[in-house]
Amino acid sequence: DAGITQSPRHKVTETGTPVTLRCHQTENHRYMYWYRQDPGHGLRLIHYSYGVKDTDKGEVSDGYSVSRSKTEDFLLTLESATSSQTSVYFCAISERGQDTEAFFGQGTRLTVV
Amino acid sequence: SQKIEQNSEALNIQEGKTATLTCNYTNYSPAYLQWYRQDPGRGPVFLLLIRENEKEKRKERLKVTFDTTLKQSLFHITASQPADSATYLCALGNYGQNFVFGPGTRLSVLP
Repeated sequence: DAGITQSPRHKVTETGTPVTLRCHQTENHRYMYWYRQDPGHGLRLIHYSYGVKDTDKGEVSDGYSVSRSKTEDFLLTLESATSSQTSVYFCAISERGQDTEAFFGQGTRLTVV
Repeated sequence: SQKIEQNSEALNIQEGKTATLTCNYTNYSPAYLQWYRQDPGRGPVFLLLIRENEKEKRKERLKVTFDTTLKQSLFHITASQPADSATYLCALGNYGQNFVFGPGTRLSVLP
């Protein structure tokens, strides 16, 4: 299995509080991604990174921010969590992006109450 | 906008038969297509990648076809086993763009 770890695995938080999810990789892959997965919507890209300090928005980026200060770590922050952000969040890594396979983490189940 | 559809939400087949899953797309011209497997409570796992200039790709009991005229990919699992039961996702991509996932098909192989 590719060395990719998400933390925490489960989190319950209150509306309006900030939340940070962490993705850590040991593969030295250039590309890192954050997805959310919801019933009826499949996997949707939130933000991605193509290098240290290089990030860009995905399909559903509103309400989320990211940071990548080291190759191995990619952080996803919900500045002020809302109930609509209750979801399962997956981090993925890819060596070249584009036409190379992606390796996914185990996911973080976030519940906003 | 681009749209990706995967046949039915759920597919049930008998053990030993060939499972065929479909991925159709519109308003898109992908340069490559990937298939992933996802088990409950786990992240997707990469299975196969096929490029637009390839008609067919095989890996053990898996076969993928890619028809850019029909805008369709077929994913076959031959001699299916109960252990093949999972959700299968297709993902389409183009150079310079991130890939986009379909909604998935939940396959159940019945003993």
